[in-house]
Amino acid sequence: AQRVTQPEKLLSVFKGAPVELKCNYSYSGSPELFWYVQYSRQRLQLLLRHISRESIKGFTADLNKGETSFHLKKPFAQEEDSAMYYCALRDFGNEKLTFGTGTRLTIIP
Amino acid sequence: GAVVSQHPSRVICKSGTSVKIECRSLDFQATTMFWYRQFPKQSLMLMATSNEGSKATYEQGVEKDKFLINHASLTLSTLTVTSAHPEDSSFYICSAINPGGASGTQYFGPGTRLLVL
Repeated sequence: AQRVTQPEKLLSVFKGAPVELKCNYSYSGSPELFWYVQYSRQRLQLLLRHISRESIKGFTADLNKGETSFHLKKPFAQEEDSAMYYCALRDFGNEKLTFGTGTRLTIIP
Repeated sequence: GAVVSQHPSRVICKSGTSVKIECRSLDFQATTMFWYRQFPKQSLMLMATSNEGSKATYEQGVEKDKFLINHASLTLSTLTVTSAHPEDSSFYICSAINPGGASGTQYFGPGTRLLVL
């Protein structure tokens, strides 16, 4: 069965410093990975997906199949990045998502 | 675009009563919706996949007779918690797939907080 692991429950970073939120997965097939974000008092929303290979709000994430990782990175943290971040894996052949436990990112001014 | 609403946003009920939660896709038709449950400071746990016009598919360990799902139209799925008990208190979130959107992207509702007394 697939599994998504986010080892850090909490992460605090100073404004302007680099950010890396870790995500590892286990899946027998070819995975599709996502990062979802939930800002304070807002609903969960898609941040980025690995197949798009795009940068959203300065964040990027590269799928590393060798290390089975999909870490989320941003070179310079901003205060508005403070939020809950969830890594998710899509089940091949259907639309189901398996979520990690989430990392709460706090940017220190 | 791709907005999903939930109603009610919060509900308090007595033990033994049933509670219905609605999930609507406001500007698109969703053949597939999902129901999640989230405990405090924990991740989202998928409860079931709601398919328009057919029976829902429940995840292992989720009681289908306890959590009734009806997806009667392309814009509405309902979750009914039957004979609710205090242990059913949780945050219930729905999501929907927009067929016209990016593959695999789910659009989430704002959630419904259920408190069973």
